[in-house]
Amino acid sequence: GQNIDQPTEMTATEGAIVQINCTYQTSGFNGLFWYQQHAGEAPTFLSYNVLDGLEEKGRFSSFLSRSKGYSYLLLKELQMKDSASYLCAVMDSNYQLIWGAGTKLIIKP
Amino acid sequence: GAVVSQHPSWVICKSGTSVKIECRSLDFQATTMFWYRQFPKQSLMLMATSNEGSKATYEQGVEKDKFLINHASLTLSTLTVTSAHPEDSSFYICSARFAAAQETQYFGPGTRLLVL
Repeated sequence: GQNIDQPTEMTATEGAIVQINCTYQTSGFNGLFWYQQHAGEAPTFLSYNVLDGLEEKGRFSSFLSRSKGYSYLLLKELQMKDSASYLCAVMDSNYQLIWGAGTKLIIKP
Repeated sequence: GAVVSQHPSWVICKSGTSVKIECRSLDFQATTMFWYRQFPKQSLMLMATSNEGSKATYEQGVEKDKFLINHASLTLSTLTVTSAHPEDSSFYICSARFAAAQETQYFGPGTRLLVL
């Protein structure tokens, strides 16, 4: 079956760095996405990785290792507004998104 | 970037009534639209995939006679929750993609449904 695992909840301090891991097993692979979702809102796109390696975009970076079925989202210089759920999703061979349960990130002052 | 709208953003209805939710792609033609449902503290669950001009493909466990999906044009898909019950209360989110970029889904803002 298809499976995506990520931690349920993480806590970090404002100004610090946090890494959210995601492991996956899917039928086919057409890329891995990270989305941010604030409570009561729809997900917003953060990053897309289809090749191995690190993609950096401002304070956020995303890493992918296809051989290990592993990705992480790295958030630097954390701000209070980064408190949200972070969803890992893999696009399978049918171009459908398989979603993880999300990681709730709590930022403390 | 591509914009997807949903209407209404909030709806409260009585048990037994039907509710229609619209999903529109505002600046592109969406060959495929997806309907998701999200319960509190859970991830998105794909309900169905609809391609313009054809019948929607429903995920296992989703009743197609209860959740009617119509994708009549390249910019509009509708989800009708028929005979809604309190357990149908949820956050319904649509997304859309166009043929030239199958890896990208653009999400609508979501519709929160509360059935009393």
